[in-house]
Amino acid sequence: DAGVTQSPTHLIKTRGQHVTLRCSPISGHKSVSWYQQVLGQGPQFIFQYYEKEERGRGNFPDRFSARQFPNYSSELNVNALLLGDSALYLCASRGQGLAGTFGSGTRLTVV
Amino acid sequence: SQKIEQNSEALNIQEGKTATLTCNYTNYSPAYLQWYRQDPGRGPVFLLLIRENEKEKRKERLKVTFDTTLKQSLFHITASQPADSATYLCALDEQKAGNNRKLIWGLGTSLAVNP
Repeated sequence: DAGVTQSPTHLIKTRGQHVTLRCSPISGHKSVSWYQQVLGQGPQFIFQYYEKEERGRGNFPDRFSARQFPNYSSELNVNALLLGDSALYLCASRGQGLAGTFGSGTRLTVV
Repeated sequence: SQKIEQNSEALNIQEGKTATLTCNYTNYSPAYLQWYRQDPGRGPVFLLLIRENEKEKRKERLKVTFDTTLKQSLFHITASQPADSATYLCALDEQKAGNNRKLIWGLGTSLAVNP
């Protein structure tokens, strides 16, 4: 079985640009969460979606948005990129259990 | 203020010894506490989950304890191996039920097991 798939794996963008990150959950998992992990820090919660509805939002500016599609895949969008948005963006999917399965992340570098 | 603190210093131990990692929290009421392993450039990998009404959980060489009075969890790796070298993260979940889940993470502790 495929795990959580994130794309792209690495990305370099310029300040002010827009980025879209994608996540495919484990088959059958209806919940997808997004986290931002700055180097040397723990992950910070950005969004959770369940059954295509937003179920939670972390303390991130409105430049960050997300959505979940009917097949439960998800996109994270970030507008007007800042240098401080450089981080590893993690997606986690969850089925019936309490623990999530994480993808390998997308490493975003803003220059 | 709310805080989750893990051993700030990297932990270096000899192969075969027991590694003990600490997670302390302040001003949270976790329903669940989870431990993850993270290798450089990779996503966290789930190891163990313990509920607020549980004192101890074991899985193979891993053991986690949870003391809600002390607001502390300890994570033990017995008979440690060089392959156990990684960063270990604790994460809290305050939701007791439902599908709204949000993990609050510590900074992680780097563990190095020397052969």
